[in-house]
Amino acid sequence: AQKVTQAQTEISVVEKEDVTLDCVYETRDTTYYLFWYKQPPSGELVFLIRRNSFDEQNEISGRYSWNFQKSTSSFNFTITASQVVDSAVYFCALSELSGGYNKLIFGAGTRLAVHP
Amino acid sequence: GAGVSQTPSNKVTEKGKYVELRCDPISGHTALYWYRQSLGQGPEFLIYFQGTGAADDSGLPNDRFFAVRPEGSVSTLKIQRTERGDSAVYLCASAGETQYFGPGTRLLVL
Repeated sequence: AQKVTQAQTEISVVEKEDVTLDCVYETRDTTYYLFWYKQPPSGELVFLIRRNSFDEQNEISGRYSWNFQKSTSSFNFTITASQVVDSAVYFCALSELSGGYNKLIFGAGTRLAVHP
Repeated sequence: GAGVSQTPSNKVTEKGKYVELRCDPISGHTALYWYRQSLGQGPEFLIYFQGTGAADDSGLPNDRFFAVRPEGSVSTLKIQRTERGDSAVYLCASAGETQYFGPGTRLLVL
C-alpha cells in the first residue's frame, strides 16, 4: 500500500533559522513521483517540486532544498534562513504511475510557524 | 493563462440538501482531479477525469457523490443528501505533468 508519513505535526522557528521537514513514504512500485506542496493560510495548494524515483540528485531552489534518499524512502525538505512568509502547512505527496496518471497520496502535513 | 478556478468559494447548506461544486481547469489540461481535505488532514483523492470520462472514481466515498465533465473542460462535483460529515474543503486540480490546484470550495453542512 502507498503511504506518506510526515511525523512532524507542527514546527515553530524563529526567523533566519534553518528548518527541515521530514517525509517518509511507502510504495511497492519502482516508478513513482514525489512532491511537495505549500498551503498558506489562504488555503490554495502551491506546487513546489516534483521528483521522479530515478533521480536521486538533491535539488536546490533559492532557500529551498530537497534531499531524496531511496535507501531510507525519505524526501526531506529544508528551508534555509526561514522567513515569516514561509509560515504555512507543507504537504509531501506520492504518486504512482500505474494506469498512466498521477493520483496523489498526501501526508498529513507539517504546520510551520516562523516567528519574527 | 489563468489558473484553476472553483466556485463557489464557500457553500453552507443544510443536511439532506443537494450541492454542486464547479471546477474550471487550466485551458488545455486534459486531466482533472477532485480531492477532499478535512480539517487538519492532507487532501484525499476522490476522482480522476481524462477528457470527458471518469477514469478512476475509486475515491468517491459512496453513491451520494458523483462528478461529471461533459465537454472535457469544466467539471462539476455533485453531492446528494448531504451529511454533516461531508463538511470539508473540496479541491480541484488540473494537470499536465504536474497537478495545479484551485483555491477549493469550503463546504459546511449544518
